[in-house]
Parts: sequence; structure tokens; C-alpha cells
Amino acid sequence: SQTIHQWPATLVQPVGSPLSLECTVEGTSNPNLYWYRQAAGRGLQLLFYSVGIGQISSEVPQNLSASRPQDRQFILSSKKLLLSDSGFYLCAWSVRGGGFSYEQYFGPGTRLTVT
Amino acid sequence: KNEVEQSPQNLTAQEGEFITINCSYSVGISALHWLQQHPGGGIVSLFMLSSGKKKHGRLIATINIQEKHSSLHITASHPRDSAVYICAVAAGGQNFVFGPGTRLSVLP
Repeated sequence: SQTIHQWPATLVQPVGSPLSLECTVEGTSNPNLYWYRQAAGRGLQLLFYSVGIGQISSEVPQNLSASRPQDRQFILSSKKLLLSDSGFYLCAWSVRGGGFSYEQYFGPGTRLTVT
Repeated sequence: KNEVEQSPQNLTAQEGEFITINCSYSVGISALHWLQQHPGGGIVSLFMLSSGKKKHGRLIATINIQEKHSSLHITASHPRDSAVYICAVAAGGQNFVFGPGTRLSVLP
């Protein structure tokens, strides 16, 4: 069966510090991978999606970047965090080529607080 | 006008009641998702549908493409159904738009 892992579960970082959140998927090959953010009191927002190794698309211009160094690994990064980067970050996957017309499977999320 | 709207915003029900959550959207879509977000933040996909009706246990989801409207029904509601229910639409390509969510509380 497929599983999706995210770490860390919670993170408190000062403004201006770097960020690295990791997501890995097991039990499937060539998935589409996604990063979402949910700011406090707001809805979910798609940040990045990837259809393959090294292929990243960004939906919203921001202080963050994403990389996919391996087929089932997706990393969210920032060089210098802003207060507005605080939120709940979710990684998700879907079958390759399916995009949003296929079911999405979400990880447990990382709650980031920038102080 | 937001592309995806949900009603009601908040809903409190007694255990056993029949519950309906509505989602309306303004764009053409290829699929609509219903998601459940638990108090801890975790999200579970409930349904993905592009036409008609789907049923899973006590949950039923319907969609009317012509009217750009979908409903999520919960029969015989239970306190463990308390969560935020989110509608999201696949609006072509990698355009994926979320509704604001409906917060449901089911009281024992």
C-alpha cells in the first residue's frame, strides 16, 4: 500500500532563517507530487506541483521554492523565512499523469510557526 | 466573486441528523473533490467525481455539472463526523481551486 511521510510535524523558526521540509512517498512510482499551504484561518492554496524528477511548477510567486531530487521525494525550501510563511504545509500525491482529475492523497502535514 | 463557494460556513447538528453541505463554482471543471480535514489538520480525500453521484458508507456526494453545484450529504451523523469539509475543483491543467470549507460539529 502507498504511504506518504512528511517531517518535521511541527517547526518553530525565526524570521530570516532557512527552511527545509521533506516529503516522501512509498509504494508507488512516478507520482505527481504537490505542496499546499493553509495559512491560519484561510483555505488551502496550491504552492508547487511536480510531474517528474527536476520538474517543478509554481502556482503562486512567493518566498519559497521546491525541488524533486528523487522520484518519490519532494522538498520545500526557503532561504529566508518571513512571518507570512507561517502556516500548515501539506504534501500530496496523485497517480502520474492524473493531475487534479484523480484522487489526491495527503500527508500528515507540517505546522510551521515563524517568530 | 470567489471561484468556489461553500455553504453553510459553520454547521452544528445533533447526532443522528441528516446533513447537507453545498459547493458552487463558477468555472468549467474536469473534476470536483470533497475533502475532510480533521481537527489535527490531517486531510482525507472523501470523493472525486465528475458527474452523477457517489456513495461511501454514510456519505453521499452529488454533482450537477450544468448548474455548477455539488452537495455532500451525511446520513445518521455522528460526533466523529465533526471536521472541516472542503470542496475543491480541478479547473483545467494544473488549476486546482479550494473552497473555504464548512466547519461541522455534531453534538452527542
